[in-house]
Amino acid sequence: GAVVSQHPSWVICKSGTSVKIECRSLDFQATTMFWYRQFPKQSLMLMATSNEGSKATYEQGVEKDKFLINHASLTLSTLTVTSAHPEDSSFYICSARDRENSPLHFGNGTRLTVT
Amino acid sequence: GQNIDQPTEMTATEGAIVQINCTYQTSGFNGLFWYQQHAGEAPTFLSYNVLDGLEEKGRFSSFLSRSKGYSYLLLKELQMKDSASYLCACLDSNYQLIWGAGTKLIIKP
Repeated sequence: GAVVSQHPSWVICKSGTSVKIECRSLDFQATTMFWYRQFPKQSLMLMATSNEGSKATYEQGVEKDKFLINHASLTLSTLTVTSAHPEDSSFYICSARDRENSPLHFGNGTRLTVT
Repeated sequence: GQNIDQPTEMTATEGAIVQINCTYQTSGFNGLFWYQQHAGEAPTFLSYNVLDGLEEKGRFSSFLSRSKGYSYLLLKELQMKDSASYLCACLDSNYQLIWGAGTKLIIKP
């Protein structure tokens, strides 16, 4: 149980274009979803927290107009990287939980390369 | 401030036992998680402790002492596939997850 599906696994896009990443909880209702970014050999960095039906809470330094998060249902959250630049190339990972003290279950991540 | 400390890197031998320590200082405490992350992959959940004591799950065990702000992850009968980073994370009073920087475990034959 507790499977989180993230799609796509990897994407290459041109600078200036937008990329949408989907995160789905397959067998539980995710009241909260989290989006992380991880650069090579670095720690996970929380970008934003989203609760179903409300606006995402972004961490300091993360541009909300650049990284658009939508959590429209209890099983789906999307992250759209708008006007991507090479410095946005990274490993983006979503995670979800059904209750506050539940473990976070992670998607497999999306490796984004902006050329 | 909130802080989680764990060693940056550890080395152990295949077949041996290794203990990865984690100390934490958080605003309130609602539990501690251990995750495993292989290079280039997303983290996977290993264990959750909210009460003092040892939780055993196969080759892996996790221990918590709330009074000491301390936990450890114990890995027995180490296998080469156990080479990974091990992340300690705490839930604070607001159920925010505070992450440690991770411990890179290197297993040698």
